[in-house]
Amino acid sequence: EDQVTQSPEALRLQEGESSSLNCSYTVSGLRGLFWYRQDPGKGPEFLFTLYSAGEEKEKERLKATLTKKESFLHITAPKPEDSATYLCAVRVQGAQKLVFGQGTRLTINP
Amino acid sequence: DARVTQTPRHKVTEMGQEVTMRCQPILGHNTVFWYRQTMMQGLELLAYFRNRAPLDDSGMPKDRFSAEMPDATLATLKIQPSEPRDSAVYFCASGLAPLGHNQPQHFGDGTRLSIL
Repeated sequence: EDQVTQSPEALRLQEGESSSLNCSYTVSGLRGLFWYRQDPGKGPEFLFTLYSAGEEKEKERLKATLTKKESFLHITAPKPEDSATYLCAVRVQGAQKLVFGQGTRLTINP
Repeated sequence: DARVTQTPRHKVTEMGQEVTMRCQPILGHNTVFWYRQTMMQGLELLAYFRNRAPLDDSGMPKDRFSAEMPDATLATLKIQPSEPRDSAVYFCASGLAPLGHNQPQHFGDGTRLSIL
Protein backbone atom coordinates (compact mmCIF):
# COMPACT_ATOMS: atom_id res chain seq x y z
CA GLU A 1 0.00 0.00 0.00
CA ASP A 2 1.26 3.47 -0.89
CA GLN A 3 2.07 5.47 2.25
CA VAL A 4 3.25 8.97 3.03
CA THR A 5 4.46 9.92 6.52
CA GLN A 6 5.32 13.43 7.58
CA SER A 7 7.32 14.48 10.62
CA PRO A 8 7.18 16.20 12.95
CA GLU A 9 3.41 16.67 13.37
CA ALA A 10 4.02 20.16 14.71
CA LEU A 11 7.04 22.44 14.85
CA ARG A 12 7.44 25.73 16.62
CA LEU A 13 10.40 27.97 15.70
CA GLN A 14 11.60 31.44 16.49
CA GLU A 15 11.77 33.91 13.64
CA GLY A 16 15.06 33.37 11.83
CA GLU A 17 15.56 29.83 13.18
CA SER A 18 16.10 27.51 10.21
CA SER A 19 14.83 23.91 10.19
CA SER A 20 13.58 21.07 8.00
CA LEU A 21 10.34 19.14 7.56
CA ASN A 22 10.42 15.50 6.53
CA CYS A 23 8.22 13.49 4.17
CA SER A 24 8.91 9.75 3.94
CA TYR A 25 7.17 7.68 1.31
CA THR A 26 6.65 4.06 0.40
CA VAL A 27 5.16 3.74 -3.06
CA SER A 28 5.12 1.27 -5.90
CA GLY A 29 6.43 3.74 -8.45
CA LEU A 30 6.87 7.44 -7.87
CA ARG A 31 5.50 9.76 -10.53
CA GLY A 32 5.97 12.99 -8.65
CA LEU A 33 6.20 14.31 -5.11
CA PHE A 34 4.29 17.50 -4.35
CA TRP A 35 4.56 20.01 -1.54
CA TYR A 36 1.59 22.18 -0.63
CA ARG A 37 1.06 24.91 1.94
CA GLN A 38 -2.31 25.19 3.70
CA ASP A 39 -3.43 28.22 5.71
CA PRO A 40 -6.37 28.00 8.17
CA GLY A 41 -9.69 28.10 6.36
CA LYS A 42 -8.05 27.78 2.94
CA GLY A 43 -7.34 25.05 0.46
CA PRO A 44 -3.85 23.65 -0.11
CA GLU A 45 -1.67 25.92 -2.23
CA PHE A 46 0.84 24.31 -4.57
CA LEU A 47 4.51 24.95 -3.83
CA PHE A 48 6.77 22.43 -5.60
CA THR A 49 6.92 19.26 -7.66
CA LEU A 50 9.91 16.94 -7.45
CA TYR A 51 10.31 13.95 -9.69
CA SER A 52 13.74 12.38 -9.52
CA ALA A 53 16.20 11.69 -6.71
CA GLY A 54 18.66 14.52 -6.31
CA GLU A 55 16.27 17.14 -7.62
CA GLU A 56 15.93 20.42 -5.72
CA LYS A 57 13.48 23.30 -6.02
CA GLU A 58 13.60 26.70 -4.32
CA LYS A 59 11.08 29.44 -3.64
CA GLU A 60 11.95 32.36 -1.39
CA ARG A 61 12.91 30.87 2.02
CA LEU A 62 11.85 27.32 1.07
CA LYS A 63 13.89 24.60 -0.58
CA ALA A 64 12.61 21.11 -1.32
CA THR A 65 14.86 18.12 -1.93
CA LEU A 66 14.17 14.53 -2.91
CA THR A 67 15.84 11.16 -2.33
CA LYS A 68 14.59 7.69 -3.20
CA LYS A 69 12.85 7.37 0.16
CA GLU A 70 12.08 10.85 1.40
CA SER A 71 11.78 14.53 0.73
CA PHE A 72 12.79 17.46 2.89
CA LEU A 73 11.37 20.93 2.98
CA HIS A 74 14.07 23.22 4.30
CA ILE A 75 13.05 26.60 5.61
CA THR A 76 15.77 29.20 5.99
CA ALA A 77 15.44 32.21 8.29
CA PRO A 78 11.64 31.83 8.51
CA LYS A 79 9.26 34.70 9.15
CA PRO A 80 5.90 34.63 11.00
CA GLU A 81 4.08 34.64 7.63
CA ASP A 82 5.61 31.22 6.90
CA SER A 83 3.37 29.77 9.62
CA ALA A 84 1.05 27.20 8.00
CA THR A 85 0.49 23.49 7.61
CA TYR A 86 2.79 21.96 5.01
CA LEU A 87 1.46 18.94 3.16
CA CYS A 88 3.40 16.39 1.15
CA ALA A 89 1.73 14.19 -1.48
CA VAL A 90 2.84 11.58 -3.99
CA ARG A 91 1.49 10.54 -7.35
CA VAL A 92 2.11 6.91 -8.09
CA GLN A 93 2.59 5.04 -11.34
CA GLY A 94 -0.59 4.50 -13.29
CA ALA A 95 -2.68 6.87 -11.18
CA GLN A 96 -3.86 10.44 -11.54
CA LYS A 97 -4.65 10.83 -7.86
CA LEU A 98 -2.44 12.08 -5.03
CA VAL A 99 -1.83 10.35 -1.70
CA PHE A 100 -1.31 12.92 1.05
CA GLY A 101 0.59 12.83 4.32
CA GLN A 102 -0.97 14.14 7.50
CA GLY A 103 0.97 17.41 7.33
CA THR A 104 3.34 19.37 9.57
CA ARG A 105 1.89 22.35 11.39
CA LEU A 106 4.62 25.02 11.43
CA THR A 107 4.47 28.02 13.75
CA ILE A 108 7.02 30.83 13.55
CA ASN A 109 7.10 33.09 16.59
CA PRO A 110 8.22 36.72 16.16
CA ASP B 1 -4.95 34.18 -11.06
CA ALA B 2 -7.38 31.44 -12.09
CA ARG B 3 -8.97 29.72 -9.12
CA VAL B 4 -11.18 26.77 -8.28
CA THR B 5 -14.44 28.10 -6.84
CA GLN B 6 -16.49 26.14 -4.32
CA THR B 7 -19.94 26.91 -2.95
CA PRO B 8 -21.20 27.13 -0.33
CA ARG B 9 -18.20 27.91 1.87
CA HIS B 10 -20.08 26.81 4.98
CA LYS B 11 -23.09 24.56 5.49
CA VAL B 12 -24.83 23.58 8.70
CA THR B 13 -27.77 21.21 8.48
CA GLU B 14 -29.55 18.50 10.37
CA MET B 15 -28.97 14.82 10.05
CA GLY B 16 -30.98 13.25 7.26
CA GLN B 17 -31.02 16.33 5.04
CA GLU B 18 -29.63 16.36 1.52
CA VAL B 19 -26.44 18.34 1.01
CA THR B 20 -25.15 19.54 -2.35
CA MET B 21 -21.69 21.03 -2.78
CA ARG B 22 -20.62 22.68 -6.01
CA CYS B 23 -17.29 23.27 -7.69
CA GLN B 24 -16.26 25.34 -10.67
CA PRO B 25 -12.89 24.07 -11.90
CA ILE B 26 -10.28 26.28 -13.50
CA LEU B 27 -11.23 26.99 -17.10
CA GLY B 28 -9.52 24.55 -19.41
CA HIS B 29 -8.80 21.95 -16.73
CA ASN B 30 -10.20 18.55 -17.62
CA THR B 31 -9.62 16.63 -14.39
CA VAL B 32 -11.61 17.27 -11.22
CA PHE B 33 -11.03 15.74 -7.79
CA TRP B 34 -13.14 15.68 -4.62
CA TYR B 35 -11.35 15.35 -1.26
CA ARG B 36 -12.51 15.26 2.34
CA GLN B 37 -10.33 16.61 5.16
CA THR B 38 -10.71 15.76 8.83
CA MET B 39 -8.36 16.07 11.77
CA MET B 40 -8.20 12.30 12.17
CA GLN B 41 -7.84 11.18 8.55
CA GLY B 42 -6.27 14.17 6.86
CA LEU B 43 -6.98 14.63 3.15
CA GLU B 44 -8.76 11.66 1.59
CA LEU B 45 -9.65 11.32 -2.07
CA LEU B 46 -13.35 10.61 -2.60
CA ALA B 47 -13.67 10.64 -6.38
CA TYR B 48 -12.22 12.09 -9.56
CA PHE B 49 -13.28 12.80 -13.10
CA ARG B 50 -11.46 13.20 -16.37
CA ASN B 51 -13.24 14.89 -19.26
CA ARG B 52 -16.41 14.70 -17.12
CA ALA B 53 -16.27 10.90 -16.87
CA PRO B 54 -15.85 9.34 -13.42
CA LEU B 55 -12.54 7.48 -13.24
CA ASP B 56 -12.38 6.47 -9.59
CA ASP B 57 -14.94 6.82 -6.83
CA SER B 58 -13.63 4.04 -4.62
CA GLY B 59 -13.07 6.45 -1.72
CA MET B 60 -16.72 7.44 -1.58
CA PRO B 61 -19.48 5.77 0.49
CA LYS B 62 -21.72 4.92 -2.43
CA ASP B 63 -24.89 4.36 -0.47
CA ARG B 64 -25.17 8.05 0.39
CA PHE B 65 -22.63 9.97 -1.71
CA SER B 66 -22.80 10.77 -5.38
CA ALA B 67 -20.57 12.88 -7.62
CA GLU B 68 -21.37 14.24 -11.06
CA MET B 69 -20.15 16.67 -13.68
CA PRO B 70 -23.19 18.02 -15.53
CA ASP B 71 -20.87 20.09 -17.72
CA ALA B 72 -17.23 21.09 -17.94
CA THR B 73 -17.71 24.10 -15.66
CA LEU B 74 -19.58 22.39 -12.82
CA ALA B 75 -18.91 19.44 -10.55
CA THR B 76 -21.27 18.45 -7.74
CA LEU B 77 -20.96 16.27 -4.66
CA LYS B 78 -24.20 15.21 -2.98
CA ILE B 79 -24.84 13.50 0.32
CA GLN B 80 -28.27 12.00 0.93
CA PRO B 81 -29.09 11.33 3.70
CA SER B 82 -26.41 13.19 5.63
CA GLU B 83 -25.02 11.89 8.93
CA PRO B 84 -23.00 13.58 11.71
CA ARG B 85 -19.91 11.57 10.70
CA ASP B 86 -19.97 13.38 7.34
CA SER B 87 -18.95 16.60 9.08
CA ALA B 88 -15.66 17.67 7.48
CA VAL B 89 -14.17 20.13 5.02
CA TYR B 90 -14.75 19.06 1.42
CA PHE B 91 -12.26 20.25 -1.17
CA CYS B 92 -12.46 20.29 -4.92
CA ALA B 93 -9.29 20.38 -7.01
CA SER B 94 -8.72 20.57 -10.75
CA GLY B 95 -5.85 19.84 -13.07
CA LEU B 96 -4.86 19.38 -16.67
CA ALA B 97 -4.57 15.77 -17.81
CA PRO B 98 -2.60 13.87 -18.62
CA LEU B 99 -1.20 14.83 -15.24
CA GLY B 100 2.50 14.47 -15.81
CA HIS B 101 4.98 14.80 -13.03
CA ASN B 102 5.03 18.56 -13.34
CA GLN B 103 1.28 19.12 -13.39
CA PRO B 104 -0.12 19.96 -9.95
CA GLN B 105 -3.70 19.91 -8.77
CA HIS B 106 -5.12 23.29 -7.79
CA PHE B 107 -7.49 23.40 -4.84
CA GLY B 108 -10.51 25.49 -3.95
CA ASP B 109 -11.01 26.85 -0.44
CA GLY B 110 -13.44 24.12 0.53
CA THR B 111 -16.93 23.69 1.93
CA ARG B 112 -17.01 23.34 5.71
CA LEU B 113 -19.89 20.97 6.43
CA SER B 114 -21.45 20.44 9.85
CA ILE B 115 -24.19 17.85 10.29
CA LEU B 116 -26.06 18.22 13.57
